[in-house]
Amino acid sequence: SQTIHQWPATLVQPVGSPLSLECTVEGTSNPNLYWYRQAAGRGLQLLFYSVGIGQISSEVPQNLSASRPQDRQFILSSKKLLLSDSGFYLCARGSGFAFPGANVLTFGAGSRLTVL
Amino acid sequence: DQQVKQNSPSLSVQEGRISILNCDYTNSMFDYFLWYKKYPAEGPTFLISISSIKDKNEDGRFTVFLNKSAKHLSLHIVPSQPGDSAVYFCAASETRPGSNYKLTFGKGTLLTVNP
Repeated sequence: SQTIHQWPATLVQPVGSPLSLECTVEGTSNPNLYWYRQAAGRGLQLLFYSVGIGQISSEVPQNLSASRPQDRQFILSSKKLLLSDSGFYLCARGSGFAFPGANVLTFGAGSRLTVL
Repeated sequence: DQQVKQNSPSLSVQEGRISILNCDYTNSMFDYFLWYKKYPAEGPTFLISISSIKDKNEDGRFTVFLNKSAKHLSLHIVPSQPGDSAVYFCAASETRPGSNYKLTFGKGTLLTVNP
């Protein structure tokens, strides 16, 4: 099973409040993990990816951070939310490369964040 | 700079007809392309992919065409069904070592199939 669990599914937070979105994955160990955001009219934007425990790469400068404390756990956080952080956050795991194929991402159900 | 572009935000077709969704890319290093389908409030699901060594890949009603010289790909759905109504995302990646397997997505096209 390559199931991905994300929670909470929805949340409404005031500006300036902290954020923690959690993602856990099942299946093979040491997966590549990703956080994407879908904001209105902007498609899917890659925020962070991780190739292993404690290894985080950030794609865009922003108000968010990510951590990977365990092999199958990926957390998205913020100390102080901005209005612009509203969006649909998606955690994904990669299938890994299998020549001549490529990485196919499997996505979780997402977390809808509304910042007021 | 948007490296993967889906210039049509929406497309409406009649049931039974062909749906053609288009995607353009600018990064010549991309060599693997994928289409995802997304329903509201759900995560995207993988639909079909194509490697740059091919120009066509078919899976049931879905066919993806790749024109490398034009940096253009398209997804054909024949025949279209109402259940195909969703947002379709085009994605691209590099398969070279060190690319970290990232997918770059377009903004998506909302397909509506009318009964």
